[in-house]
Amino acid sequence: DAGVIQSPRHEVTEMGQEVTLRCKPISGHNSLFWYRQTMMRGLELLIYFNNNVPIDDSGMPEDRFSAKMPNASFSTLKIQPSEPRDSAVYFCASSQDGGLVAGYTFGSGTRLTVV
Amino acid sequence: TQLLEQSPQFLSIQEGENLTVYCNSSSVFSSLQWYRQEPGEGPVLLVTVVTGGEVKKLKRLTFQFGDARKDSSLHITAAQPGDTGLYLCAGALGIMRFGAGTRLTVKP
Repeated sequence: DAGVIQSPRHEVTEMGQEVTLRCKPISGHNSLFWYRQTMMRGLELLIYFNNNVPIDDSGMPEDRFSAKMPNASFSTLKIQPSEPRDSAVYFCASSQDGGLVAGYTFGSGTRLTVV
Repeated sequence: TQLLEQSPQFLSIQEGENLTVYCNSSSVFSSLQWYRQEPGEGPVLLVTVVTGGEVKKLKRLTFQFGDARKDSSLHITAAQPGDTGLYLCAGALGIMRFGAGTRLTVKP
């Protein structure tokens, strides 16, 4: 298995532009998580899906952030409009049955820089 | 306030030294996991502990789950430069809740 695949690996964009981050989870995993990581705040859970349905989006910073999971093999995280404070590394992770024993498998992340 | 407090935040040691990092909470967890994250990559699962008092060994790494299932420790024996990374603990409360991590640097 190729693992969790995220694209792009790096994104540099200007303030006000729309940014879309993409994730392909591991086949057969039924939970998908979006995290944001910064030095100041560590790893923050933004939203997670179970069987393609959003379960908890309380970590989404504000209305500028939205996430979708149209099918079991694809998810997107969109920021519109982007702001410099959104600069961070965004991780997608997937798991089987909540990952409480087998854990989460993380992608390599997307490093977002908003200038 | 973090649900899981990890200490120390930063640790820099010489190759060959032993070290212990801690993960503490006031909550009881059904399981607890340790991950290691290397620069430019996502966290990778090292171990899951489930039973209070459980001890697991992974080569030079020893993981212990507290008797009350509220805390855990990770001990590394004879640290090597390859052990350098961010060590994250995560406790199961519905989903996994992550601590802020301990950033370990092992100097050759």
